[in-house]
Amino acid sequence: DAKTTQPNSMESNEEEPVHLPCNHSTISGTDYIHWYRQLPSQGPEYVIHGLTSNVNNRMASLAIAEDRKSSTLILHRATLRDAAVYYCILGLDSNYQLIWGAGTKLIIKP
Amino acid sequence: KAGVTQTPRYLIKTRGQQVTLSCSPISGHRSVSWYQQTPGQGLQFLFEYFSETQRNKGNFPGRFSGRQFSNSRSEMNVSTLELGDSALYLCASSPNVGASYEQYFGPGTRLTVT
Repeated sequence: DAKTTQPNSMESNEEEPVHLPCNHSTISGTDYIHWYRQLPSQGPEYVIHGLTSNVNNRMASLAIAEDRKSSTLILHRATLRDAAVYYCILGLDSNYQLIWGAGTKLIIKP
Repeated sequence: KAGVTQTPRYLIKTRGQQVTLSCSPISGHRSVSWYQQTPGQGLQFLFEYFSETQRNKGNFPGRFSGRQFSNSRSEMNVSTLELGDSALYLCASSPNVGASYEQYFGPGTRLTVT
């Protein structure tokens, strides 16, 4: 079964870069890698997604390993507002479902 | 553009009752997905609708059902409520169907079953 594995929690200092890892060794060749985050008492929020090559947007960067079995979400300069649970998700090409992992709770220290 | 809206935001029901939750997607979005979120199980996929047709269904009992209307608005229904159905129910809309599209989530409906 498709699944992702992430650390339960991570801590980082404010204004420093954050690298959130994710393993997805069962990924198929055409499955997408998505990242969402969820702030307390809110619905999840889209962050970024990609297929093979690295991706950048205004929120973050996504670095995908060459074999696609792992990826890293990079927040270039963390702020207190980035404290959230970050989910690494596989978007299955076979049935278009999003397979959610348990997420990483990111704690930002001032 | 207005975001995804869900009504009601909070709901308290008694075991054995049934409940209907509503979701209005972002204008122009044709795909609506529903998720159940609990502290123990995390986010679990319920079902997805596209153009009024259920395209995917998660591993939930038949007590959980849904539908989508021609204006893309969607409802989900849970019959014969159980205590374990207490959860945050999230709706997400997407412009189209496919693994490459991002989803936009509503704030959720917090259902408490007593």
